[in-house]
Amino acid sequence: DAGVIQSPRHEVTEMGQEVTLRCKPISGHNSLFWYRQTMMRGLELLIYFNNNVPIDDSGMPEDRFSAKMPNASFSTLKIQPSEPRDSAVYFCASSWPEQETQYFGPGTRLLVL
Amino acid sequence: AQSVTQPDIHITVSEGASLELRCNYSYGATPYLFWYVQSPGQGLQLLLKYFSGDTLVQGIKGFEAEFKRSQSSFNLRKPSVHWSDAAEYFCAVGAGNNDMRFGAGTRLTVKP
Repeated sequence: DAGVIQSPRHEVTEMGQEVTLRCKPISGHNSLFWYRQTMMRGLELLIYFNNNVPIDDSGMPEDRFSAKMPNASFSTLKIQPSEPRDSAVYFCASSWPEQETQYFGPGTRLLVL
Repeated sequence: AQSVTQPDIHITVSEGASLELRCNYSYGATPYLFWYVQSPGQGLQLLLKYFSGDTLVQGIKGFEAEFKRSQSSFNLRKPSVHWSDAAEYFCAVGAGNNDMRFGAGTRLTVKP
């Protein structure tokens, strides 16, 4: 049974470039979460979706960040334009909403130069 | 909103010794409690969870945790640590609406 799949695993880009991170949740899960992990701030919830609908995006740091979930099996997190302070590991997680247990992907390590 | 405190940033234990990682939470109702483990360069793996019922829960890899409402704690334990247990451990508390808060993590080093 495949877990949460994220791509790319590593991304190095230059400041000002657009970055798109991708996530495929576990089949049948209908909640999806995007987190950011840094040494300074730990794990932060950026946004989560239920049944493809964004429910809480209060953690999205600013307008440069956007997330979409066009269908139950795919989500993107986009940063445009990227800045060095966006360098972090970005995790996607999925769950059944009733079960409250989130399953994490391996993460995307982003470095913005 | 709920919150989690992991008082120990870094713990070192000898291989074969027992382990206890502390977790304190703040939440007005009965929380959903979790422990996750993160190996270097990896995602978070669920070790165990508590929703209700028996306050001592068993997880994978020989870990257990005990929910103590009176102390607002959910400490993680393992009787004998293996070198492969070296990782970062995160406690998390949920409020039942997908709103999960994570602690800052405890990094475990295992000495030979």
